[in-house]
Amino acid sequence: NAGVTQTPKFQVLKTGQSMTLQCAQDMNHNSMYWYRQDPGMGLRLIYYSASEGTTDKGEVPNGYNVSRLNKREFSLRLESAAPSQTSVYFCASNRGRTEAFFGQGTRLTVV
Amino acid sequence: AQSVTQLGSHVSVSEGALVLLRCNYSSSVPPYLFWYVQYPNQGLQLLLKYTTGATLVKGINGFEAEFKKSETSFHLTKPSAHMSDAAEYFCAVSERTGRRALTFGSGTRLQVQP
Repeated sequence: NAGVTQTPKFQVLKTGQSMTLQCAQDMNHNSMYWYRQDPGMGLRLIYYSASEGTTDKGEVPNGYNVSRLNKREFSLRLESAAPSQTSVYFCASNRGRTEAFFGQGTRLTVV
Repeated sequence: AQSVTQLGSHVSVSEGALVLLRCNYSSSVPPYLFWYVQYPNQGLQLLLKYTTGATLVKGINGFEAEFKKSETSFHLTKPSAHMSDAAEYFCAVSERTGRRALTFGSGTRLQVQP
């Protein structure tokens, strides 16, 4: 039972490059989320998706786009990476309100 | 809007001592409350949660937390710290209606001294 799987685990980008972070869950959850974690700031919501085909902005959406391809997959795209997007990115999913399951994270460095 | 405040970004205790990590929230109605633990280079794991019912909730690894509505608090405790408890701990809340996303505190790094 894999839970929430994120790829890649590590990535280094140059400023201006683009990339897509992939996330897939095998728990048949409707809701999926992307968070970023920065030192001293906890996790902040970038985007979330309540169901397939729907997405909504979170607290820090600027510079990001998302796609909810199907019920399992929720990708996060950086069109033109900036050093301020250096962070650890977490994908999560839940079925109800009582527990979210997190992936192992993607550590992204933008130079 | 909800917010979560964790007092103390770093807490150090001796092995065998009481662990107390503080969490206060701000919300127009009592939210669902959570504590997550993060070990180095790993994702977040749920320790415990309060949704309804008994205000003292027990979680994994001997941790527990008490929801105090009057104090808008949800402090995490463990009677006796173990070396393996060294990690970062996050308090989080989610609304009972509407968006289901979590709002996190800034985290508390727990160090356990031998």
